[in-house]
Amino acid sequence: AQSVTQLGSHVSVSEGALVLLRCNYSSSVPPYLFWYVQYPNQGLQLLLKYTSAATLVKGINGFEAEFKKSETSFHLTKPSAHMSDAAEYFCAVSEGPGGRRALTFGSGTRLQVQP
Amino acid sequence: KAGVTQTPRYLIKTRGQQVTLSCSPISGHRSVSWYQQTPGQGLQFLFEYFSETQRNKGNFPGRFSGRQFSNSRSEMNVSTLELGDSALYLCASSLGIGQTNTEAFFGQGTRLTVV
Repeated sequence: AQSVTQLGSHVSVSEGALVLLRCNYSSSVPPYLFWYVQYPNQGLQLLLKYTSAATLVKGINGFEAEFKKSETSFHLTKPSAHMSDAAEYFCAVSEGPGGRRALTFGSGTRLQVQP
Repeated sequence: KAGVTQTPRYLIKTRGQQVTLSCSPISGHRSVSWYQQTPGQGLQFLFEYFSETQRNKGNFPGRFSGRQFSNSRSEMNVSTLELGDSALYLCASSLGIGQTNTEAFFGQGTRLTVV
């Protein structure tokens, strides 16, 4: 069985500040991990993915995440927040790399960016 | 190339009715998955179709069903609608095979409201 915990349902940062969104996972097999972003009334857009290659993963829009097996974590960071980053972010895990594998999602973190 | 297309975008139905949602995957993608998103339960996997066969199923009642056509387009049906079925239904497509098949691409969703 697999699960994802996102700490903090709401995170607020100032424009230009560091963004840190936390994700911890549980998986009985080596996990494949994903971060998705969702804007209001939109679907999910993939930000980045970890598929057992490099532990530091760079994604789109300046986001990156580091896979830490010892901490079972996959936190999402961005050095400098922009107003356009305001959205809901979902961490997800699957049992394999294939796009066909069912994704188990965390409950989401809503990011607010203050001017 | 065109992304995942879901129709309709919005739908209002009455309790007890049935509804059919449609999903056209990215050209060349053979796998289609469906997810339900609600404020209370978050994002939950419904089922996945590949080559016109249901390959994986989440924990939903039999009122939720789907099918996939030879052109990979998929439909999802919900019968005897309940108020709790009000949700954003998201479709995701993936290649289904091959080394690059590591992620699913989501459509914008169909917002179903049951009254």
